[in-house]
Amino acid sequence: ETGVTQSPTHLIKTRGQQVTLRCSSQSGHNTVSWYQQALGQGPQFIFQYYREEENGRGNFPPRFSGLQFPNYSSELNVNALELDDSALYLCASSLASSGGRETQYFGPGTRLLVL
Amino acid sequence: SQQGEEDPQALSIQEGENATMNCSYKTSINNLQWYRQNSGRGLVHLILIRSNEREKHSGRLRVTLDTSKKSSSLLITASRAADTASYFCATVTPGSNYKLTFGKGTLLTVNP
Repeated sequence: ETGVTQSPTHLIKTRGQQVTLRCSSQSGHNTVSWYQQALGQGPQFIFQYYREEENGRGNFPPRFSGLQFPNYSSELNVNALELDDSALYLCASSLASSGGRETQYFGPGTRLLVL
Repeated sequence: SQQGEEDPQALSIQEGENATMNCSYKTSINNLQWYRQNSGRGLVHLILIRSNEREKHSGRLRVTLDTSKKSSSLLITASRAADTASYFCATVTPGSNYKLTFGKGTLLTVNP
């Protein structure tokens, strides 16, 4: 167990709806990253938050947005859901220090199905 | 976009045998990491090798890195049925804020 939790475990939405996924980071970690993993693919980086600010973004449209809270928990929001948004969404927490954020600890993921 | 590409896509072996998976990548890296994923759930960090390292060991795992060939290999010795999982390599490139760029993974099946 990594200490990173995500909710909900599974979610079914219809096209056009909005969804919020939640992540609770490992204790002491100040950085959270979100990844999307389509079936049969490797995870794709969505964005990273450090101390409540976005700290890097992958090739995802603006309808993917996020928040990081003072307790370092995080949300991923997706607006105007499309069928291709169906995937496993993973969050990963890490500790930014002089040694970097090299090791990321992943949560179990939220499986989103868009119908 | 995918940075790493694992080879083979799928590997089936018997318990006790060794399993070798390869990863190739395209650009210069700070480090390369291997992760395991069971049944489409969360990823577990296995091992990290930095660009100035050539080989690392962790228990039954051995990772090599050849930056001239932009490739890495993961060897699992004396495999067990519990090693059945998907294995991904992920790279961290300079200036990327430690963003992980994953390959498509190798599905390893260890038969009892």
